[in-house]
Amino acid sequence: GAGVSQSPSNKVTEKGKDVELRCDPISGHTALYWYRQSLGQGLEFLIYFQGNSAPDKSGLPSDRFSAERTGGSVSTLTIQRTQQEDSAVYLCASSRGGPIDTQYFGPGTRLTVL
Amino acid sequence: QKEVEQNSGPLSVPEGAIASLNCTYSDRGSQSFFWYRQYSGKSPELIMFIYSNGDKEDGRFTAQLNKASQYVSLLIRDSQPSDSATYLCAVNGAAGNKLTFGGGTRVLVKP
Repeated sequence: GAGVSQSPSNKVTEKGKDVELRCDPISGHTALYWYRQSLGQGLEFLIYFQGNSAPDKSGLPSDRFSAERTGGSVSTLTIQRTQQEDSAVYLCASSRGGPIDTQYFGPGTRLTVL
Repeated sequence: QKEVEQNSGPLSVPEGAIASLNCTYSDRGSQSFFWYRQYSGKSPELIMFIYSNGDKEDGRFTAQLNKASQYVSLLIRDSQPSDSATYLCAVNGAAGNKLTFGGGTRVLVKP
């Protein structure tokens, strides 16, 4: 079975442009998470989807960030009007949910805002 | 105070020795605890999780949890150069399923 996949693997954009990052979770996983990791830093939680419940958006750093999850599977993270401080690796993880929620990470998208 | 704290390292250990990594957390209601390994330029990969006080062993890895002291540790026995990586401690708090990560401890195993 395939793991979590993300696309693109690398994205270079100009300041002010919008970007979309995609995540395909492991088949059968109901929970999906987005994190970001800035250079040399730990992982920062962004947003969490669980089934049909309202997403937990508590980690989104500004209203320029949004995410959708269509059909309970694929998710897209959108960053509008990108800024240089948005440069980071954006990681997606998925899990089965439940009390011991083991999350498995995708390879990440490295975003560079010039 | 950070929610999950780790010594950033680097922790340098000779090949064959035991590497001991520590992690403290602030949320006393935390339910489960995870150790991830992250090689440079790669995404985190799960090593093991623990949710009960005491020790849990998996191969060369042992996780130890002490909820009263809000402390979780990871021991790597017979360290190998391939164990050189950053080890991330992650905590699943009482508030939900999102993981809070420590900053990671960089481990260097020298032949």
